[in-house]
Amino acid sequence: DAGITQSPRYKITETGRQVTLMCHQTWSHSYMFWYRQDLGHGLRLIYYSAAADITDKGEVPDGYVVSRSKTENFPLTLESATRSQTSVYFCASSESAGQGYEQYFGPGTRLTVT
Amino acid sequence: KQEVTQIPAALSVPEGENLVLNCSFTDSAIYNLQWFRQDPGKGLTSLLLIQSSQREQTSGRLNASLDKSSGRSTLYIAASQPGDSATYLCAVQATNSGYALNFGKGTSLLVTP
Repeated sequence: DAGITQSPRYKITETGRQVTLMCHQTWSHSYMFWYRQDLGHGLRLIYYSAAADITDKGEVPDGYVVSRSKTENFPLTLESATRSQTSVYFCASSESAGQGYEQYFGPGTRLTVT
Repeated sequence: KQEVTQIPAALSVPEGENLVLNCSFTDSAIYNLQWFRQDPGKGLTSLLLIQSSQREQTSGRLNASLDKSSGRSTLYIAASQPGDSATYLCAVQATNSGYALNFGKGTSLLVTP
């Protein structure tokens, strides 16, 4: 019963490099989300997906790319990492959307861009 | 844009006390309000979800209420324990937000033995 997992848990990369953060859920939830958590800002939505091959921007999408070829996976790619993307990234999933549907969060990936 | 505010930002109480955490939001057009717990360096654990049509939810020593018209929710923790020490986050799912959760900045709770 893995639930929702993220990898890697910790990553240090250099400015300008491409980085991909992985998210995998075992519940076959339709909706998946990527949030980032920063001191002073709380959690903010980057992208979300309503189903395989359906994605949409959130509040802070610039510099990020997502894809969802399979229901269970929702990778987040930083195309050219910047120091401002140093953050803790959380993936979440939800069975459906709207009233009554909880979002469940993964353990997070702590990313440092040097 | 939905704004979510949590008061107080930090709280320290002795073990055994009952306590209330507050959350307010600016737009009453919501699907759900969700309370989370976050331990240092860890992910978010969902505690309670209140649908917009509900007034409260209970789980063990936790009780969350929702007054949608006034844009307020409270999380009541009964008989607090040191293990309750964590940051508590309130999040609102607005009907115009694409199902995203809008989070408050949290209340950091310390329960001292």
